Amino acid sequence: EPEVTQTPSHQVTQMGQEVILRCVPISNHLYFYWYRQILGQKVEFLVSFYNNEISEKSEIFDDQFSVERPDGSNFTLKIRSTKLEDSAMYFCATSRDRANYGYTFGSGTRLTVV
Amino acid sequence: QKEVEQDPGPLSVPEGAIVSLNCTYSNSAFQYFMWYRQYSRKGPELLMYTYSSGNKEDGRFTAQVDKSSKYISLFIRDSQPSDSATYLCAMRANFGNEKLTFGTGTRLTIIP
Repeated sequence: EPEVTQTPSHQVTQMGQEVILRCVPISNHLYFYWYRQILGQKVEFLVSFYNNEISEKSEIFDDQFSVERPDGSNFTLKIRSTKLEDSAMYFCATSRDRANYGYTFGSGTRLTVV
Repeated sequence: QKEVEQDPGPLSVPEGAIVSLNCTYSNSAFQYFMWYRQYSRKGPELLMYTYSSGNKEDGRFTAQVDKSSKYISLFIRDSQPSDSATYLCAMRANFGNEKLTFGTGTRLTIIP
């Protein structure tokens, strides 16, 4: 069964450093999303991305965050200057079309900011 | 009031029992309802989805939506130890709105 692949599985970074989280979507999927889950809390929407632009973002997704598809296959989430409160699991999700009620999630990247 | 509320559990039941998991919500704009299963250190896996009110069955799983009460349920029949996981409800508004709003998840353990 096709999978959404995320790398790295775990990243430790110092506060103030930039991090890039990577996702390889399922090959025929066109809609891409990032969600995060702080330990013990619910999964939260960050951003949706289609046709090389952001289609929707949450209030969490401020100027410190950006997304792009640098090479037409990978989908990345960049955090410019990490804060302690950015520590969380970050999930990439993809879907083939907007009519799809649910998305395929990757296994996540655990980001630890120290 | 939280937009989506879900009892975090933990919930432990013996193998073979019927499991009932529930969520309530406050946003009447929600029209698409999903249940995800999440194993430890894994991403959410879509189990069931329904549109508006009604029931949907898939094998041992049945999803129910009651929009008038703003209440959704997932029933698991003949529960197995492999069903032990965290179950997340998720909801979405109209077709053009792509954001999923999740509940906190219920941790379920099936005791052999």
